[in-house]
Amino acid sequence: GENVEQHPSTLSVQEGDSAVIKCTYSDSASNYFPWYKQELGKRPQLIIDIRSNVGEKKDQRIAVTLNKTAKHFSLHITETQPEDSAVYFCAAKWGSGGSNYKLTFGKGTLLTVNP
Amino acid sequence: NAGVTQTPKFQVLKTGQSMTLQCAQDMNHNSMYWYRQDPGMGLRLIYYSASEGTTDKGEVPNGYNVSRLNKREFSLRLESAAPSQTSVYFCASRGGRERWQETQYFGPGTRLLVL
Repeated sequence: GENVEQHPSTLSVQEGDSAVIKCTYSDSASNYFPWYKQELGKRPQLIIDIRSNVGEKKDQRIAVTLNKTAKHFSLHITETQPEDSAVYFCAAKWGSGGSNYKLTFGKGTLLTVNP
Repeated sequence: NAGVTQTPKFQVLKTGQSMTLQCAQDMNHNSMYWYRQDPGMGLRLIYYSASEGTTDKGEVPNGYNVSRLNKREFSLRLESAAPSQTSVYFCASRGGRERWQETQYFGPGTRLLVL
């Protein structure tokens, strides 16, 4: 199976600063890497994802980078705002293909943005 | 569309009692998943159903059973609850085999306390 390591487990930044969360994965066949945001007491929601045929993807203040050789990917949040405070999970897709598709999640990063 | 719904929202059980967690989706998705979320452990896959009529074990299946009742519904059963099964349970669904249907959508969760 797949193993996903996520760091740091907690991250505190000042409003307006940037935040970076890093993940590594073990299965070189993984080709899809989503990031989920989970606010307190809520469900995880997809915020951005990247596939292995691209190295970077950006959506407004959020970007994800992927290094397939090193098997790691990162979430970058610029100009952080208090509403960015949440737990962020990275994940990697694995399985034998087609409908046999599973995600392995990292253990999460608690991001706190201080006003 | 309601998306993914789960019942109940919260449940308290005594050790040895049984219960079924219900999940339904109205997005015509093929694949459905059950996860448990424990503090500091991320989301761990219990069981999944790649398509109607099929189910497979995930990372932590012991103590659980599942039923894919039809394309919409996927239930999780605890036959004899144990305190170690105290957790938040999330159901998720995914569209199909196409690359653009890789996103997993989560339900609101069921908070289970086993005394």
